[in-house]
Amino acid sequence: GAVVSQHPSRVICKSGTSVKIECRSLDFQATTMFWYRQFPKKSLMLMATSNEGSKATYEQGVEKDKFLINHASLTLSTLTVTSAHPEDSSFYICSAPARRAGGPPEQYFGPGTRLTVT
Amino acid sequence: AQSVAQPEDQVNVAEGNPLTVKCTYSVSGNPYLFWYVQYPNRGLQFLLKYITGDNLVKGSYGFEAEFNKSQTSFHLKKPSALVSDSALYFCAVRDPNTGFQKLVFGTGTRLLVSP
Repeated sequence: GAVVSQHPSRVICKSGTSVKIECRSLDFQATTMFWYRQFPKKSLMLMATSNEGSKATYEQGVEKDKFLINHASLTLSTLTVTSAHPEDSSFYICSAPARRAGGPPEQYFGPGTRLTVT
Repeated sequence: AQSVAQPEDQVNVAEGNPLTVKCTYSVSGNPYLFWYVQYPNRGLQFLLKYITGDNLVKGSYGFEAEFNKSQTSFHLKKPSALVSDSALYFCAVRDPNTGFQKLVFGTGTRLLVSP
């Protein structure tokens, strides 16, 4: 099956610093990837759609300048949390669609990145 | 707008008993429905999906879900629960307005299976 990885799995950073999270599709190419944020005991909130070769599409209420997304290649998207604050602490998950056996695209999720801002 | 609702925050069941995790949906057009499972500090794992065809969909780990159009429901079921089934379960619907790529998730239901 299609595999999506994320790095790092956990990161602790100080308030005011920036942190980068990588999302890679390991055995398939993805022109589109999705970034989600999960709050404790809450569902996943779609933050943005990452598009290879063009700007990301952000969901309403998500700050573009705070959550920088770069889709550098067909297998890599990065999310950079700039000037991080404790309220940015969360679990960030990416996903990428892949087709299997000619069917409709299915979402494959990364294992998530736990960000803690102190 | 597409949406799914999971009315239960938590479901408790004893090992060996049948389990049901509820999901209702609201979509325009044909629903493409999914169930995912999330273990602590992990990403989501696909369990099963309904696109068309039989109303009873069989998925991974012995789970199944029944699509009920009249009740707009897509409840997740398993005949005999295992302690290892304890996890967070998400129902989701695919948004056709985004080329069928965006998923809209429910709020999640925590399943606790006691020994």
